[in-house]
Amino acid sequence: QVRLQESGPGLVKPSQTVSLTCAVSGGSINNSRHHWSWLRQEPGKGLEWIGHIYSTGATYYNPSLQSRVTISVDTSKSHFSLTLSSVTVADSAVYYCATDERFGAMDVWGQGTTVTVSS
Amino acid sequence: DIQLTQSPSSLSASAGDSVTITCRPSQPVDKYLNWYQQKPGKAPNILISATSILQSGVPSRFSARGSGAYFILTISSLQPEDFATYYCQQSYSTPHTFGPGTRVDMK
Repeated sequence: QVRLQESGPGLVKPSQTVSLTCAVSGGSINNSRHHWSWLRQEPGKGLEWIGHIYSTGATYYNPSLQSRVTISVDTSKSHFSLTLSSVTVADSAVYYCATDERFGAMDVWGQGTTVTVSS
Repeated sequence: DIQLTQSPSSLSASAGDSVTITCRPSQPVDKYLNWYQQKPGKAPNILISATSILQSGVPSRFSARGSGAYFILTISSLQPEDFATYYCQQSYSTPHTFGPGTRVDMK
């Protein structure tokens, strides 16, 4: 069973770039059946899909964030990453990594990492 | 983007009740509609994929059906551990959008 674990800086200043990492264990990040996703949830709000990356390296992003988001995979370290640039207070949220194997249904999630944007 | 409308936004129920949550996409999503449960402070947990496929380990009191642009999640005989927020999600086209959620709390 694949397991995911997010890590990140916690606190970021406005206008900076935040980078989050999701460590993959219990399975291969090269598995072509998996898509590796990032999502976020503002406090007390619903879920927002940020984007995902295929094992081929192909990426798909939410148009609302596309200009500021990059998702990448490092197969040597068995992790995938999210970079979000020019952050504002509105980017403060719990960020989750997740993966799906069939039908785009995300069946494995990390526990989430909180990003707070504050000066 | 495909918008998902969930109804109701919240409901109060008692243990043993049967509850139904609906999800209406703004355009057809074929069978690519999934349901998640989320408890406070926790990551979402997949309940149902592809309209009606019950995920491993999910109790059989959870069921779902639908097609195209109308989907239903039913929880029969609500248990104390079922009080949570439920989200539908479409994976038919990117961005993979979520409904706003339905909060189920204890009456």
